[in-house]
Amino acid sequence: GQNIDQPTEMTATEGAIVQINCTYQTSGFNGLFWYQQHAGEAPTFLSYNVLDGLEEKGRFSSFLSRSKGYSYLLLKELQMKDSASYLCAVLDSNYQLIWGAGTKLIIKP
Amino acid sequence: GAVVSQHPSWVICKSGTSVKIECRSLDFQATTMFWYRQFPKQSLMLMATSNEGSKATYEQGVEKDKFLINHASLTLSTLTVTSAHPEDSSFYICSLTPSQGAAYEQYFGPGTRLTVT
Repeated sequence: GQNIDQPTEMTATEGAIVQINCTYQTSGFNGLFWYQQHAGEAPTFLSYNVLDGLEEKGRFSSFLSRSKGYSYLLLKELQMKDSASYLCAVLDSNYQLIWGAGTKLIIKP
Repeated sequence: GAVVSQHPSWVICKSGTSVKIECRSLDFQATTMFWYRQFPKQSLMLMATSNEGSKATYEQGVEKDKFLINHASLTLSTLTVTSAHPEDSSFYICSLTPSQGAAYEQYFGPGTRLTVT
């Protein structure tokens, strides 16, 4: 079966750095996405990785290792507005998104 | 980025009635549209995939006669929840893949919160 694992909840301090991990086992791979979702809102796109390595975009970076079935989202200089759920999703061989359950990130002052 | 709208943004209906949710792309044509459902504190669950001009493909466990999907044009898809029950109360989100874009591109609507009383 297809499976995506990520921690349920994480807590970090404002101004710090946090890394959210995601491991996956899917039928085929056409890329991995990270989305941010605030409560009561739809997900918003953060990053897309299809090749191994690190993609940096401002305060957010995303890493992918296809051989390990592993990705992480790195958030630097945390702000209170970064409190949200972070969803890892893999595009499978049929170009359908397989979603993780999401990681709720709590930022404390 | 692409703009996707959903209407209504929230709706309250009585048990047994039907509710129609519209998903519209405002600045691109979408060959493929996805409908998701999200229960509180859970991740998105794909309900169905629809391609313009053809019948929707429903995920296992999703009743196609209860959740009617019509992908009438390249800019509009509708989801009708028929004979709604309280357990259908959820957050419904559509996403679209542009016809001219890469297969991995998906743009999400803002979601529709349905409450069935």
